[in-house]
Amino acid sequence: AQTVTQSQPEMSVQEAETVTLSCTYDTSESDYYLFWYKQPPSRQMILVIRQEAYKQQNATENRFSVNFQKAAKSFSLKISDSQLGDAAMYFCAYRSARGNNRLAFGKGNQVVVIP
Amino acid sequence: EAQVTQNPRYLITVTGKKLTVTCSQNMNHEYMSWYRQDPGLGLRQIYYSMNVEVTDKGDVPEGYKVSRKEKRNFPLILESPSPNQTSLYFCASSLWGGGNQPQHFGDGTRLSIL
Repeated sequence: AQTVTQSQPEMSVQEAETVTLSCTYDTSESDYYLFWYKQPPSRQMILVIRQEAYKQQNATENRFSVNFQKAAKSFSLKISDSQLGDAAMYFCAYRSARGNNRLAFGKGNQVVVIP
Repeated sequence: EAQVTQNPRYLITVTGKKLTVTCSQNMNHEYMSWYRQDPGLGLRQIYYSMNVEVTDKGDVPEGYKVSRKEKRNFPLILESPSPNQTSLYFCASSLWGGGNQPQHFGDGTRLSIL
């Protein structure tokens, strides 16, 4: 089974600054999808960004961007111009292009935004 | 509004008393899944369903049952709950069991088994 590793359980960032969350994964597959989900205190799971492994271009969604390094099996999330509303737990997730559509999650990174 | 609805949001119950957590989606999604979230462990898949009448075990299925008699509903059943099933549970759905479309999550159900 694929494993997803997120180090740095808690990260602090000043408002308007940039923070980068790291994620690595273990897989022998070449075709898969990667996601970052945000979980604010309300507990909702909100999709932030997704990346297809076959795409070399890094995905971007407004202030959120990823650095996808396929050979290194690395998928980091950069939050630019951090806002108070970005404070949340962030989960990295992997899904194979085959199989049961199972999302394998990392253990999460808590992001604290300091005003 | 497109959504995944779970009920109840919170439940405190006792060991051995059967309970059901309902999940319903209004997006005509084929794929549905249950996860549990525990501190320090992230989310782990319990069961999933690729379509009506098709269900299979995820990573942590012990102590749980599911059924998929209708496309929109995917209840999670705890026949004899135990304290180690105290957790935050999420139901999720996606259009189909493949591709890059994201899973849509419900708002979660906090279960406490005493």
